[in-house]
Amino acid sequence: ILNVEQSPQSLHVQEGDSTNFTCSFPSSNFYALHWYRWETAKSPEALFVMTLNGDEKKKGRISATLNTKEGYSYLYIKGSQPEDSATYLCAFISSGSARQLTFGSGTQLTVLP
Amino acid sequence: DAMVIQNPRYQVTQFGKPVTLSCSQTLNHNVMYWYQQKSSQAPKLLFHYYDKDFNNEADTPDNFQSRRPNTSFCFLDIRSPGLGDAAMYLCATSGRLAQTSTDTQYFGPGTRLTVL
Repeated sequence: ILNVEQSPQSLHVQEGDSTNFTCSFPSSNFYALHWYRWETAKSPEALFVMTLNGDEKKKGRISATLNTKEGYSYLYIKGSQPEDSATYLCAFISSGSARQLTFGSGTQLTVLP
Repeated sequence: DAMVIQNPRYQVTQFGKPVTLSCSQTLNHNVMYWYQQKSSQAPKLLFHYYDKDFNNEADTPDNFQSRRPNTSFCFLDIRSPGLGDAAMYLCATSGRLAQTSTDTQYFGPGTRLTVL
């Protein structure tokens, strides 16, 4: 069983604040990391897939970085808006002969107006 | 337009009464997955189909079965639901196997199962 941890479990920020949270994963046998956003009552939707150490991806006000050597990825949201309120999930895929896809338990973000 | 549809969105069943959850997709993807997510926990992969090939995760209980009659539809059958099976069940699809590619998974909105 692979250990994929996300922190914090939840956070509240004020509209306009910037925020970030972390996905930690095993630093060995890395293949890929996905970030998903899951708004209440909707389907989880893909944000980024990251494969290379040092990768930085950006989509509007949301960006992500990847450090495979130390086993973490950061997700940043600049100038949070109420519509950013959602659970953010990361999914780690291991390399090797027995590939595994393991989700973290998510960070629940609430942006207060 | 919805691409992965799950019905029903909410399902209530009784302890021990078989229940079936359904998933359909309009993406013509080869792979369909079923996940179980209990409150505040990580989604846990139960099994997946690659075309007609069924792949069960090692720790998925025998109580959970799946059927894929065609490319578009996949069903999750819980033969004798217990109180511990109450959860959100997510269906997802991808063109190539997510475990061995960088393909994104497309999710449905989930079915929340309550067991009385």
